[in-house]
Amino acid sequence: DAMVIQNPRYQVTQFGKPVTLSCSQTLNHNVMYWYQQKSSQAPKLLFHYYDKDFNNEADTPDNFQSRRPNTSFCFLDIRSPGLGDAAMYLCATSVVGRPNEQFFGPGTRLTVL
Amino acid sequence: EDQVTQSPEALRLQEGESSSLNCSYTVSGLRGLFWYRQDPGKGPEFLFTLYSAGEEKEKERLKATLTKKESFLHITAPKPEDSATYLCAVLGEANSKLTFGKGITLSVRP
Repeated sequence: DAMVIQNPRYQVTQFGKPVTLSCSQTLNHNVMYWYQQKSSQAPKLLFHYYDKDFNNEADTPDNFQSRRPNTSFCFLDIRSPGLGDAAMYLCATSVVGRPNEQFFGPGTRLTVL
Repeated sequence: EDQVTQSPEALRLQEGESSSLNCSYTVSGLRGLFWYRQDPGKGPEFLFTLYSAGEEKEKERLKATLTKKESFLHITAPKPEDSATYLCAVLGEANSKLTFGKGITLSVRP
């Protein structure tokens, strides 16, 4: 089945220790998104890619970076995680022109000790 | 700036007790309103897209409706497996991204 896969599902890191979250998709969608979702909060868009074109949200901290080496994969790098970065990180994909039909992965729950 | 407000924050129902979830929105030129279901520890699952006032969509026990200011997700005779958080999102003409509400956590007791 075509899907969005996130690894790992659970990630524990230490304060200040860099961490990378992974997302892959078999849908062949050209748009990929990274969201941060804290408990009982709305998903917050961090950035997205139209193919290789990177679009950063104005309020996304510099601590968050992303890479998309090819259509199928996208990575979220947190350079120096703080306690406030503990959250669920969601990856989603869509087709250009149809951003409403976003397909989400299961998420990665990040814990910062 | 697009805004979405969902109410109530949490809703507890008895199995079979029908109810409605509200999503109020402010958007410059609505391109679409979307409902998602999110189970604990999982990503949102797409349910419905509504494009214009008066439109309705149905899926099993769920029915979504849309006016110019709000959308309702009606749940008829809910079952415990309907327990989840329901997210509403809008897409406006001035934006290329979805604006989500905080969600409504629904619990259905057997």
